[in-house]
Amino acid sequence: AQSVTQPDIHITVSEGASLELRCNYSYGATPYLFWYVQSPGQGLQLLLKYFSGDTLVQGIKGFEAEFKRSQSSFNLRKPSVHWSDAAEYFCAVYGQNFVFGPGTRLSVLP
Amino acid sequence: DGGITQSPKYLFRKEGQNVTLSCEQNLNHDAMYWYRQDPGQGLRLIYYSQIVNDFQKGDIAEGYSVSREKKESFPLTVTSAQKNPTAFYLCASRTRAGSTDTQYFGPGTRLTVL
Repeated sequence: AQSVTQPDIHITVSEGASLELRCNYSYGATPYLFWYVQSPGQGLQLLLKYFSGDTLVQGIKGFEAEFKRSQSSFNLRKPSVHWSDAAEYFCAVYGQNFVFGPGTRLSVLP
Repeated sequence: DGGITQSPKYLFRKEGQNVTLSCEQNLNHDAMYWYRQDPGQGLRLIYYSQIVNDFQKGDIAEGYSVSREKKESFPLTVTSAQKNPTAFYLCASRTRAGSTDTQYFGPGTRLTVL
């Protein structure tokens, strides 16, 4: 069965600091992996996705993520966080269907 | 503009009443999905449809029903059998099931049972 864990429920960083959000997945075959962002009361917006090839993928808004098969991880990173990045972030794996992690809420200090 | 619309944005229901949430897409997508979102639990799949006139139960289908009579529309009915219906409901679509395409999400409907 597919599953996704996001170990951090809530992260607070200062504006301008670097960010890494963790995601671990469980899936028997090669997964399709996604990161989404959700502002309060809104739908989800795709940040980036990984299907195959280069394990470092670039997304929108300056985000990137690295697929590490040996660690079953797909961590999201950003070198310098902006106040507008405050939101909830969801990692998802697609195998038979989409399975989402519980989310990590990001707060940004001025 | 192409996209997914959900209506209404906020919905209030009395206990014992059925209520239907609307989801429309003009992306010409074959597959459509309904998710329920509760704080700290991420998104859980209620129902999905891979093609018109066909749909399958997701992980938490009890107390919900759907129809897919048109490609553009995938309404969700929350019945009185749903024990705890207060939640944020998200509709999504994608090109077709089994593709590598992402899901595209609507803005959501927040349902509150009074």
